Amino acid sequence: GENVEQHPSTLSVQEGDSAVIKCTYSDSASNYFPWYKQELGKRPQLIIDIRSNVGEKKDQRIAVTLNKTAKHFSLHITETQPEDSAVYFCAGSGGSNYKLTFGKGTLLTVNP
Amino acid sequence: DAGVIQSPRHEVTEMGQEVTLRCKPISGHNSLFWYRQTMMRGLELLIYFNNNVPIDDSGMPEDRFSAKMPNASFSTLKIQPSEPRDSAVYFCASSPPGASNEKLFFGSGTQLSVL
Repeated sequence: GENVEQHPSTLSVQEGDSAVIKCTYSDSASNYFPWYKQELGKRPQLIIDIRSNVGEKKDQRIAVTLNKTAKHFSLHITETQPEDSAVYFCAGSGGSNYKLTFGKGTLLTVNP
Repeated sequence: DAGVIQSPRHEVTEMGQEVTLRCKPISGHNSLFWYRQTMMRGLELLIYFNNNVPIDDSGMPEDRFSAKMPNASFSTLKIQPSEPRDSAVYFCASSPPGASNEKLFFGSGTQLSVL
């Protein structure tokens, strides 16, 4: 099955700086890679996703890049703000159209 | 829409007791998932329903766990008997037709503590 590794487990940045979170996956059949944000005590929420036929996708201050050859994808947050502080999870679909394998999460802290 | 609704938000019970978690998916969504979240194992898929039918229950830890979806607007996850290692946050999520693992909408979760 799919295995998703996520790094770093914690990340602390100053407000206004950029943050990058990286994930690797094992199953070459994976074709869908979402990112979820979970604020403390809240539910995970989808913030951006990318399919395997696209190399990069942007949505305002967040972007995701995918390297299929190397089997890794990354989340980029620019001009970070304190409200970006949360746990971010990456996931891969494997060869499934319903299953998601999640990474262990990255706790991002944006310091004012 | 109120989103995915789960109850209770918190459950504290003693080992050996039966626990029932409830979920109301978003109206019109036909895929429903139960996930368990722990520090050690992260988010794990327990069971997946499509059109009220269980499609994949390979993530259910053992026979103590069971899930039902009697209709499109209600699902339950039952643990009987409960054990301390079942302590976790249990999330229900739903997604619209055609999306399955895409565009998952999570409920607020049930924080389960088994003493």
